[in-house]
Amino acid sequence: KAGVTQTPRYLIKTRGQQVTLSCSPISGHRSVSWYQQTPGQGLQFLFEYFSETQRNKGNFPGRFSGRQFSNSRSEMNVSTLELGDSALYLCASSFSENEQFFGPGTRLTVL
Amino acid sequence: KQEVTQIPAALSVPEGENLVLNCSFTDSAIYNLQWFRQDPGKGLTSLLLIQSSQREQTSGRLNASLDKSSGRSTLYIAASQPGDSATYLCAIYNQAGTALIFGKGTTLSVSS
Repeated sequence: KAGVTQTPRYLIKTRGQQVTLSCSPISGHRSVSWYQQTPGQGLQFLFEYFSETQRNKGNFPGRFSGRQFSNSRSEMNVSTLELGDSALYLCASSFSENEQFFGPGTRLTVL
Repeated sequence: KQEVTQIPAALSVPEGENLVLNCSFTDSAIYNLQWFRQDPGKGLTSLLLIQSSQREQTSGRLNASLDKSSGRSTLYIAASQPGDSATYLCAIYNQAGTALIFGKGTTLSVSS
């Protein structure tokens, strides 16, 4: 069974631009969660989607948004990029609540 | 607000040593707890999931325990190997089971 996949693996953007990251969950998993990892703040929860609905959201500004499609694939978007948005963005999927499986992440660098 | 703390932040041991990584949390009304491993620049690999009704889980050389009353979990690694070198993260699920709250991790270095 294929694991969680994330594309692209690396991105370089400049301040003010926007970016879209993609996540394909494990087949059969309907929940997708997104996390941001930085050296200073560690891993922080962004949001979680289930059956195309956002069920939970972390404490991030509105520049961070996401969506989920009918095939459970998910995208997250960050608008008006700031230097502080440079991070490893991790996606996780789960079949039921309480056990998440993570993808390899997308490394975003904002210049 | 639930907070998760991992001590120490870094640990260096010689190969073959048994070791314990610690995780503490502020709210004892936790749900499930999961231990992960992260290699540099990579994603997270799930090691062990302890459901809230369980006290421990074992997988190979790894054993994780959960004591909700004291707000602690430990990850025991037996007979450590250089390949165990990585950052180990402890995370607790929120009530709905939809989000993880992570500690900052313990970076383990095992020398041969």
